[in-house]
Amino acid sequence: NAGVTQTPKFQVLKTGQSMTLQCAQDMNHNSMYWYRQDPGMGLRLIYYSASEGTTDKGEVPNGYNVSRLNKREFSLRLESAAPSQTSVYFCALAGGNQPQHFGDGTRLSIL
Amino acid sequence: RKEVEQDPGPFNVPEGATVAFNCTYSNSASQSFFWYRQDCRKEPKLLMSVYSSGNEDGRFTAQLNRASQYISLLIRDSKLSDSATYLCVVYPGGYQKVTFGTGTKLQVIP
Repeated sequence: NAGVTQTPKFQVLKTGQSMTLQCAQDMNHNSMYWYRQDPGMGLRLIYYSASEGTTDKGEVPNGYNVSRLNKREFSLRLESAAPSQTSVYFCALAGGNQPQHFGDGTRLSIL
Repeated sequence: RKEVEQDPGPFNVPEGATVAFNCTYSNSASQSFFWYRQDCRKEPKLLMSVYSSGNEDGRFTAQLNRASQYISLLIRDSKLSDSATYLCVVYPGGYQKVTFGTGTKLQVIP
């Protein structure tokens, strides 16, 4: 998806490993979001950032940390991965009251 | 009460049928509303914005009822390709976060 780039697209981890999911945008939007979506479930907000340098917890923040060091990038870190964190992770961004744009997603499996 | 609520469905309808979904929201001060479509295991994609006066895009019509705090999506002449999950989205305004409904699943049957 032009405008929102998520890396990696797929990842398999072992329990206890750490990793960082990256999200970068070229749309100059202020707000960025991280969601997870489990099979057959709706989107659940993990963290969001209303602007550069600010972050807030969403519905399911436990086990995750985020970093918004600049306007372009918003990263999501799993410090010690658990099988319950197996999911599809979506990054999204929005500007003001405009609709959100989503990245392609990262499919993460934790064994 | 959840911030945004949708009937999860599934709605199973024959091709050519008309189907409607509603979505209720709790924050009366919400400013912007959208409908998204999500195909299985793919990212949600914007279907249409919802305006106070109502808006139409081909076979799709979206309505907003601020008094009763709900938005609706009407799909006419359903196609097999309309099978997907439809998410309503509510934006409260300012620096508040956007809220997604859990989605309504539509299955159009031949």
